[in-house]
Amino acid sequence: KAGVTQTPRYLIKTRGQQVTLSCSPISGHRSVSWYQQTPGQGLQFLFEYFSETQRNKGNFPGRFSGRQFSNSRSEMNVSTLELGDSALYLCASSFNTPGGMSYEQYFGPGTRLTVT
Amino acid sequence: GQQVMQIPQYQHVQEGEDFTTYCNSSTTLSNIQWYKQRPGGHPVFLIQLVKSGEVKKQKRLTFQFGEAKKNSSLHITATQTTDVGTYFCAGPWGGTSYGKLTFGQGTILTVHP
Repeated sequence: KAGVTQTPRYLIKTRGQQVTLSCSPISGHRSVSWYQQTPGQGLQFLFEYFSETQRNKGNFPGRFSGRQFSNSRSEMNVSTLELGDSALYLCASSFNTPGGMSYEQYFGPGTRLTVT
Repeated sequence: GQQVMQIPQYQHVQEGEDFTTYCNSSTTLSNIQWYKQRPGGHPVFLIQLVKSGEVKKQKRLTFQFGEAKKNSSLHITATQTTDVGTYFCAGPWGGTSYGKLTFGQGTILTVHP
């Protein structure tokens, strides 16, 4: 089985711009979660999508948004970029269930975003 | 407030020594997971513990889930240079997770040959 893929792998943007990151989950996985990883804050949950619906959201400002398509692929968008948004953005897919029981998550390689 | 505390933050060992990282929660968990992230890599799932007092082994790695399901540990016997990385515990803190895992701060393991 192919693993989780994320594009692009690296991105450099300037403050005020917006960015869209893409994630393709493992075939058969309907749950896609997004995380932000920084040296100072560690791994922080952004949001999760299951069958095109956002089921859970972390404590991030509204500038961070996402969506999921019918094929389970997901995108996340960050608008009005700030210097503090520089981070590794990780996508993880899981064979989660409608009931929400947590299964192991399979992470993609991440997108390294640098905001200048 | 902080729901999960993972200690130590750093651990330097000589190759062949043992290593243990601990994860402590202020609340009872339905399950706990462990991940490893190599330098420059992404987190990779190691194991999930579900039952109170559960112990699972993977070769040199031993994982334990506390009786009260509030703490967990990962023990590596006779470390090797391939064990280098950051080890995270993660769990569905806050009830039904719906795909949300809360990660500990991680323990960075360095192994000196």
